[in-house]
Amino acid sequence: SQELEQSPQSLIVQEGKNLTINCTSSKTLYGLYWYKQKYGEGLIFLMMLQKGGEEKSHEKITAKLDEKKQQSSLHITASQPSHAGIYLCGADKNDYKLSFGAGTTVTVRA
Amino acid sequence: EAGVAQSPRYKIIEKRQSVAFWCNPISGHATLYWYQQILGQGPKLLIQFQNNGVVDDSQLPKDRFSAERLKGVDSTLKIQPAKLEDSAVYLCASSLQGETEAFFGQGTRLTVV
Repeated sequence: SQELEQSPQSLIVQEGKNLTINCTSSKTLYGLYWYKQKYGEGLIFLMMLQKGGEEKSHEKITAKLDEKKQQSSLHITASQPSHAGIYLCGADKNDYKLSFGAGTTVTVRA
Repeated sequence: EAGVAQSPRYKIIEKRQSVAFWCNPISGHATLYWYQQILGQGPKLLIQFQNNGVVDDSQLPKDRFSAERLKGVDSTLKIQPAKLEDSAVYLCASSLQGETEAFFGQGTRLTVV
């Protein structure tokens, strides 16, 4: 069973607009990983969050982990066509392996 | 640095046939994972190796799936016999010992008809 819930399941955004994806766990996480996947391909690592309240940014992507370490959000500012893909959050329960949510499919319209 | 290599990229087989996938992890990565990703779902861990030993195979359907990593480097995942529901992308990933950040290969897309 999926321990991570991602929302929304999919979204369409106009190029230049912002978007936010959420990832919620029923249990406290040791770490939370964000990956991006192009359809039918491998996963590309984006960011890892480990501390409650932590926030990280890379280019136009910002990820946050709440204080309880049960919810994370991924925010993209001024989306571009290159941001299209499937975004996956992965939970680390301190056992050196990741369990993933179902993913959020992002479509960017020109 | 070379990434995780997987082959083949695509495979189409009939049900009840057998199939094998190959993975070469990043050099120096002691931990190797095989994930199954069914269309519309997130990757599901099938098996985790630490060097040539199995750490976790609790979600591997052992009646038809097998995996090995004999010399602690390359790994093969086999399905015999395949079922229609095995159609999925099979992803191999590797990580440094004691690290959770995994690096993924391009995956093998299996279609069982």
